[in-house]
Amino acid sequence: KNEVEQSPQNLTAQEGEFITINCSYSVGISALHWLQQHPGGGIVSLFMLSSGKKKHGRLIATINIQEKHSSLHITASHPRDSAVYICAAINTGNQFYFGTGTSLTVIP
Amino acid sequence: NAGVTQTPKFRILKIGQSMTLQCTQDMNHNYMYWYRQDPGMGLKLIYYSVGAGITDKGEVPNGYNVSRSTTEDFPLRLELAAPSQTSVYFCASRGYLGGWSTGELFFGEGSRLTVL
Repeated sequence: KNEVEQSPQNLTAQEGEFITINCSYSVGISALHWLQQHPGGGIVSLFMLSSGKKKHGRLIATINIQEKHSSLHITASHPRDSAVYICAAINTGNQFYFGTGTSLTVIP
Repeated sequence: NAGVTQTPKFRILKIGQSMTLQCTQDMNHNYMYWYRQDPGMGLKLIYYSVGAGITDKGEVPNGYNVSRSTTEDFPLRLELAAPSQTSVYFCASRGYLGGWSTGELFFGEGSRLTVL
């Protein structure tokens, strides 16, 4: 069993839809990262959070420490949001655990 | 700032050859990592470093070596390349903010390695 599980694995949405990607983890964490990997392969950090909620543009990340669960929301989705979204939990020993990613395709 | 720079972007090796993947960061980050990403799999940690002169093994270190002689550089050495090392390799770094706090992860653009 992986320490970090993401769902869904694949997601197709129409442009403009509200999208939610879920991440559950089984380790105690000091922070959780959401990463975006575009088809070209590069990986960028979207959010790092340890409690509550963060918002950046149309992206919102939330975390519930008690339930060991985080969500990434995309409002008014756009084809340029098509990418793989990766959840990564970091424990207090500074060890990272990565999910296998959610592949999002937004259709115009 | 250039961020994290890794080279080469692409390389084809023959079985048994050796090579070094270079990684440099200009953000004065303490932590540096090498990951490999295989199709359909999550990132797997090969080696990491918490500062110059300090390195440690990750999940999948066999067949690889690293060094960290400076804060900026963290090269990954493949000795006696094998087809199982065909993968995309990512270097990453992050800073230390004090206490339990660490910064965001910054990734290089990736190096696609094929061993034939």
